[in-house]
Amino acid sequence: AQTVTQSQPEMSVQEAETVTLSCTYDTSESDYYLFWYKQPPSRQMILVIRQEAYKQQNATENRFSVNFQKAAKSFSLKISDSQLGDAAMYFCAYEMDSSYKLIFGSGTRLLVRP
Amino acid sequence: NAGVTQTPKFQVLKTGQSMTLQCAQDMNHNSMYWYRQDPGMGLRLIYYSASEGTTDKGEVPNGYNVSRLNKREFSLRLESAAPSQTSVYFCASSSGVLSNQPQHFGDGTRLSIL
Repeated sequence: AQTVTQSQPEMSVQEAETVTLSCTYDTSESDYYLFWYKQPPSRQMILVIRQEAYKQQNATENRFSVNFQKAAKSFSLKISDSQLGDAAMYFCAYEMDSSYKLIFGSGTRLLVRP
Repeated sequence: NAGVTQTPKFQVLKTGQSMTLQCAQDMNHNSMYWYRQDPGMGLRLIYYSASEGTTDKGEVPNGYNVSRLNKREFSLRLESAAPSQTSVYFCASSSGVLSNQPQHFGDGTRLSIL
């Protein structure tokens, strides 16, 4: 069965600095998709970034980028120039190709210090 | 633009009572999902509906039933509520399989069962 592990329950970063959130997953599939979702205190789940496993190039969305290491089954999120509004729970998620099922990690709480 | 609307936002039930959580989306999405989120855990899929007229079990379906009433609406029913079902419930929708289209989430329903 596929699993997603986020080993950092909480991380802290100074405003304007860079922080990296870790995620590892376990799968025997070759085609799949990985996601990072943000959940602010409002509870709304917001898609931050998506990575297709068949793409070697790491995905980037403005200040958010990923380091995708397929062989190591690692999918970390880097947040550059951290802002107060980045404070939230961040969830890593896995989806097998063409399925409807997202498997989430347990989350990392990101604190941003002014 | 409302997106995904869940009602109610909060509910307290007694053990054994029944309850239906409502979800509606106005994005003309084909697929809809119900998740639960427990403290310290990511979201877990309860049921999903790939398209109007179909429903399938997710990771944790026991104790729940769903109805895809039409393309817009997807309800989740607890027939006999148990304290273990105390959780935050999220509804989501997407236009197709997740690998091609991201999910959009509602704001969640906090359900407490005494």
